[in-house]
Amino acid sequence: NAGVTQTPKFRVLKTGQSMTLLCAQDMNHEYMYWYRQDPGMGLRLIHYSVGEGTTAKGEVPDGYNVSRLKKQNFLLGLESAAPSQTSVYFCASSYSIPGRATDTQYFGPGTRLTVL
Amino acid sequence: TQLLEQSPQFLSIQEGENLTVYCNSSSVFSSLQWYRQEPGEGPVLLVTVVTGGEVKKLKRLTFQFGDARKDSSLHITAAQPGDTGLYLCAGAAFGAGSYQLTFGKGTKLSVIP
Repeated sequence: NAGVTQTPKFRVLKTGQSMTLLCAQDMNHEYMYWYRQDPGMGLRLIHYSVGEGTTAKGEVPDGYNVSRLKKQNFLLGLESAAPSQTSVYFCASSYSIPGRATDTQYFGPGTRLTVL
Repeated sequence: TQLLEQSPQFLSIQEGENLTVYCNSSSVFSSLQWYRQEPGEGPVLLVTVVTGGEVKKLKRLTFQFGDARKDSSLHITAAQPGDTGLYLCAGAAFGAGSYQLTFGKGTKLSVIP
């Protein structure tokens, strides 16, 4: 039982390049999330998914796209990377919606992305 | 957009001391969670509080949800070096079609042996 895994762990891009971050969970969770964490800014929600085939925008979605073709996977894409997208990206998954007393979001170890 | 203000931003204390971290907002949340994050890792949930005025204890950690469900506090008794880390509060509220978590900016705690 690996929980939430993210690949890659580190990546350096040049401005304008594209890449995809992969998140996988083996807990059969319906809900999955992508956050970015910047110094002094806390965690901010980029996109989320409430089930296979569905995605929705979070607080800071511009410049990112996502897909949830399989229940266990949630992909985050950067079509044309910009230096402002330098950040640590975290994926999370949960069984129920935020706000429920039983809700727990399980986080992956993060991907550290640098855009030059 | 709901905002959560955490204070203090940084805290450095000696082993054995007590401390309190605050999480405040002008918005009402359906629940509030506290996470701890260690360097190079993702946040890990410590506790969820749901009812206004609720108090939960986790060993030396005491969590309280404000009566109006707008604020919360985390109190650590007799801090130990193993408590060192980034503490994040997160409030759950309905927005943009679904319940979402809004995170505070975090309190970085260092406990010196």
